[in-house]
Amino acid sequence: AQSVTQPDIHITVSEGASLELRCNYSYGATPYLFWYVQSPGQGLQLLLKYFSGDTLVQGIKGFEAEFKRSQSSFNLRKPSVHWSDAAEYFCAVGHNNNDMRFGAGTRLTVKP
Amino acid sequence: DAGVTQSPTHLIKTRGQHVTLRCSPISGHKSVSWYQQVLGQGPQFIFQYYEKEERGRGNFPDRFSARQFPNYSSELNVNALLLGDSALYLCASSLGWGRSDGETQYFGPGTRLLVL
Repeated sequence: AQSVTQPDIHITVSEGASLELRCNYSYGATPYLFWYVQSPGQGLQLLLKYFSGDTLVQGIKGFEAEFKRSQSSFNLRKPSVHWSDAAEYFCAVGHNNNDMRFGAGTRLTVKP
Repeated sequence: DAGVTQSPTHLIKTRGQHVTLRCSPISGHKSVSWYQQVLGQGPQFIFQYYEKEERGRGNFPDRFSARQFPNYSSELNVNALLLGDSALYLCASSLGWGRSDGETQYFGPGTRLLVL
């Protein structure tokens, strides 16, 4: 069965510092992988997605993620964090968007 | 263009009652999915509808039901509400279903349901 693990419940970084949020997945076939961001009281916004091809995926707001099949990982990165990046981040795995599975989320706090 | 819209934004019900949540997809999108997000957890898949047919169902009891209308809007119904049904209910729409390059889901702001 497909599943997603986000090992870090809460991460705090200083503004301007780099960021990496971890995501590990379990899926029988080639997965479709997604990162979403959720601000308080808001729905989910898609940051980026991986279906196939280049394993380094560029997204919106300066985010990128790298698919590593050997490690079953799809970590999200940003070279320099802004205060507005504070939010909850969700990794998800799915196929044909049927029964998409989300991780429990990582809450990002940005220190001034 | 308007994004995915959901109504109502907030709702308070008591145990045993019934609730109907509504969702309007992005114009041109034919697929609607419903998710339940309990506080502190990621969203859990409830249903997906495409062209008015159910295409997928998550591990939820029969108290949960949904339908999609000819204009592609959707309703989620929950009967005999339990305290544990308190959650943010998210609707997501996508262009289609089953495409080989996958589908991107666009989420609405959600309906926050509180069951007392």
